[in-house]
Amino acid sequence: QSALTQPASVSGSPGQSITISCTGTSSDVGDYDYVSWYQQHPGKAPKLMIFDVRYRPSGVSNRFSGSKSGNTASLTISGLQAEDEADYYCSSYLTSSTPKWVFGGGTKLTVL
Amino acid sequence: QVQLVESGGGVVQPGRSLRLSCAASGFTLSTYAMHWVRQAPGKGLEWVAVISPDAEKKYHADSVKGRFTVSRDNSKNTLDLQMNSLRVEDTAIYYCARPHSGSYYPLAYWGRGTLVTVSS
Repeated sequence: QSALTQPASVSGSPGQSITISCTGTSSDVGDYDYVSWYQQHPGKAPKLMIFDVRYRPSGVSNRFSGSKSGNTASLTISGLQAEDEADYYCSSYLTSSTPKWVFGGGTKLTVL
Repeated sequence: QVQLVESGGGVVQPGRSLRLSCAASGFTLSTYAMHWVRQAPGKGLEWVAVISPDAEKKYHADSVKGRFTVSRDNSKNTLDLQMNSLRVEDTAIYYCARPHSGSYYPLAYWGRGTLVTVSS
């Protein structure tokens, strides 16, 4: 299964907003509202930030929001803070003869 | 609190086998499907396998199908990954992960991972 497509890097200044895109196909992102987003700091395990396209787990800041249009999902981070600097991965359920999941290639967020 | 601790990683030659384990605590393992996800050095995340709460259903990524097998022992609160015919490209940190709720996804709890290095 092919990885979902994310930009390799994005950047923004503190206080600004940024959006990370995640492009898939009609067999994954476009077929289900089962898109999730993970944040990973260097040397750490991933952390769930958004699930089912737009929902935040308890404890995740409301500065993080998710959306989807067609085969592309997006993660928006508003009011950028230094601690938001990390790698971000999208993930989606994949239509297949058996259950499968696919991740994006990851996006490095730099807070300038 | 939910805790997942992987073990069993190490350096192994191509073609050999290795068995990873994940010890779960802080929740009732038998209630949840469980996953393995890996991350090659400096690379992105790759889903590897999932096993249903009762171990009746097991699904693996195409890249490991026929070589890796996920299993679990709910009485011992452990999740395993048997890796056979290892290849250099299997080198990665292997994470076990638990879904957010009683469904199969998303993955809300992750262990710290165990490093597997396949090299001659």
